[in-house]
Amino acid sequence: AAGVIQSPRHLIKEKRETATLKCYPIPRHDTVYWYQQGPGQDPQFLISFYEKMQSDKGSIPDRFSAQQFSDYHSELNMSSLELGDSALYFCASSTAGTTKETQYFGPGTRLLVL
Amino acid sequence: GQQLNQSPQSMFIQEGEDVSMNCTSSSIFNTWLWYKQDPGEGPVLLIALYKAGELTSNGRLTAQFGITRKDSFLNISASIPSDVGIYFCAGQLTPSYNTDKLIFGTGTRLQVFP
Repeated sequence: AAGVIQSPRHLIKEKRETATLKCYPIPRHDTVYWYQQGPGQDPQFLISFYEKMQSDKGSIPDRFSAQQFSDYHSELNMSSLELGDSALYFCASSTAGTTKETQYFGPGTRLLVL
Repeated sequence: GQQLNQSPQSMFIQEGEDVSMNCTSSSIFNTWLWYKQDPGEGPVLLIALYKAGELTSNGRLTAQFGITRKDSFLNISASIPSDVGIYFCAGQLTPSYNTDKLIFGTGTRLQVFP
């Protein structure tokens, strides 16, 4: 079965640079979520989109922005990168409008800021 | 905000033994999910629970949604080496609230020795 696709899988940036992470949800999934997982930590919710509109916002820094496109893929844009932004970034997708909105996760993008 | 306390933090067991881990919250959740994460990979959904008191099995895995809606447990029977990984519980408030983000537990690191 098709899964959530994330690219790139690994990314190395320097401080103050920008990065763009991409997420392609499972086909026919209309909701996308972004999570950040620091070393040895549990995933923390950043932001989510449903039908191209932001549906919820968590602990996402103002330096980060995201959007969902008409084909339901999503991009997380990160500017003025800091050392503390080094983490695993996961995208998850689900189908809204049902009683069982289970989220399925992608393999993640490992971002290293030097 | 909501916090999920997961215990134990880590477990070192011998192959063939049964494993039990649990998650407790100060808040009520409407959905409980259990995920397994291998190093550098995304969380993989193991079991989803949608009703208080629900008991669900998936092969050697069994999970229950606590009656109070503030806790859940996961049991693994007859552990095998591939059970090694980090197990996360996650709570979700939907469908009652206008947010479907996942709140993760602190994780249980499982090590299985042959």
